[in-house]
Amino acid sequence: DAKTTQPPSMDCAEGRAANLPCNHSTISGNEYVYWYRQIHSQGPQYIIHGLKNNETNEMASLIITEDRKSSTLILPHATLRDTAVYYCIVRVGARGYSGAGSYQLTFGKGTKLSVIP
Amino acid sequence: GAGVSQSPRYKVAKRGQDVALRCDPISGHVSLFWYQQALGQGPEFLTYFQNEAQLDKSGLPSDRFFAERPEGSVSTLKIQRTQQEDSAVYLCASSKDRSNQPQHFGDGTRLSIL
Repeated sequence: DAKTTQPPSMDCAEGRAANLPCNHSTISGNEYVYWYRQIHSQGPQYIIHGLKNNETNEMASLIITEDRKSSTLILPHATLRDTAVYYCIVRVGARGYSGAGSYQLTFGKGTKLSVIP
Repeated sequence: GAGVSQSPRYKVAKRGQDVALRCDPISGHVSLFWYQQALGQGPEFLTYFQNEAQLDKSGLPSDRFFAERPEGSVSTLKIQRTQQEDSAVYLCASSKDRSNQPQHFGDGTRLSIL
């Protein structure tokens, strides 16, 4: 899987949009971008994923650049409960599955988002 | 909701003891993963099951670690002759199949080896 680069930490004012960037300049055409977050003492929580089109769900929006070398996770109205470590991960989809060892998630250090009252 | 359930939530063992950690995946999920998370680090892959078949165990750190999923549902991660460096949070995740479907995680078992 391609590696990702994220800032180690970010602050966001409560009620404002939180924009979390991720660089994945070596992403392959069959690799998806996944976002997870981990709140203290809990397991990682799936947020959203996409291949090349922008995606939106009830939690967040995912904006992927046209060249797919970077993406941004947007939390439209951050709350104190959004304080967490956010992980950007790239991984092959079904068609790219080449056998054992290519299907797990490879987590980096993520971005620690602090939402400030 | 019926998410991934892990037990026990906390486990304390003396060095040299054997431990067994249980994972109940989401009903109907074919794929199951185990990850290890050291303090301050992201989770690291241990092993992967497709139904009852263990297709990838490349992340298991030593032959003291053993995982099974005999009926393709519940899985157990066993660590024999525990060492202090085994202290970590052990996370289980499941997904519907091996496509691009997301993995859903349990809250983990925090293992402390004294």
